[in-house]
Amino acid sequence: SQKIEQNSEALNIQEGKTATLTCNYTNYSPAYLQWYRQDPGRGPVFLLLIRENEKEKRKERLKVTFDTTLKQSLFHITASQPADSATYLCALEGPTGGFKTIFGAGTRLFVKA
Amino acid sequence: EPEVTQTPSHQVTQMGQEVILRCVPISNHLYFYWYRQILGQKVEFLVSFYNNEISEKSEIFDDQFSVERPDGSNFTLKIRSTKLEDSAMYFCASKGDSKTGELFFGEGSRLTVL
Repeated sequence: SQKIEQNSEALNIQEGKTATLTCNYTNYSPAYLQWYRQDPGRGPVFLLLIRENEKEKRKERLKVTFDTTLKQSLFHITASQPADSATYLCALEGPTGGFKTIFGAGTRLFVKA
Repeated sequence: EPEVTQTPSHQVTQMGQEVILRCVPISNHLYFYWYRQILGQKVEFLVSFYNNEISEKSEIFDDQFSVERPDGSNFTLKIRSTKLEDSAMYFCASKGDSKTGELFFGEGSRLTVL
């Protein structure tokens, strides 16, 4: 069955450092990979989308890489701030899974001042 | 900025009761979804809806569940006879005019079944 794996252990980093989160997947050939942010008790909020034929995407302090051979995406937050503390969800979309978006369990990030 | 709104924010119900969760998607969006998140677990796909019919549903979305778009704005999820294990946060989401891409989520409806 399709699986999305994200590090279940929380990531603790110091303010100003770069946070790197990993997403691995199996039994899936996604057309798109997305990253969302979720704060406690709130709905997920879209951050970035990367297509299967793209290697890297950037948006402000965020960078996503996508390696379809390794079946892995890395999500980087540079110059991290305490306000970046949240759970970050990796999500995959189509075509082998249809065009629904399925989510990983997320990695909790804590940025200390 | 346009947003997806959900009501109620929290509902407590007795096992076996019917529950209707309501959503108002972003007005020009065409694709609608329900997800659920059991406390401490991942966001799980329930159902997608387009052109007034279900386009895809998960194994979770059994005969106890139904969705409806009764008018041009509301999108509802009905649970016919709630079970304890239905306790979760239910999120409505919508997409624009493409079936691919960014999902816009509401803030969720927390359902507690006693």
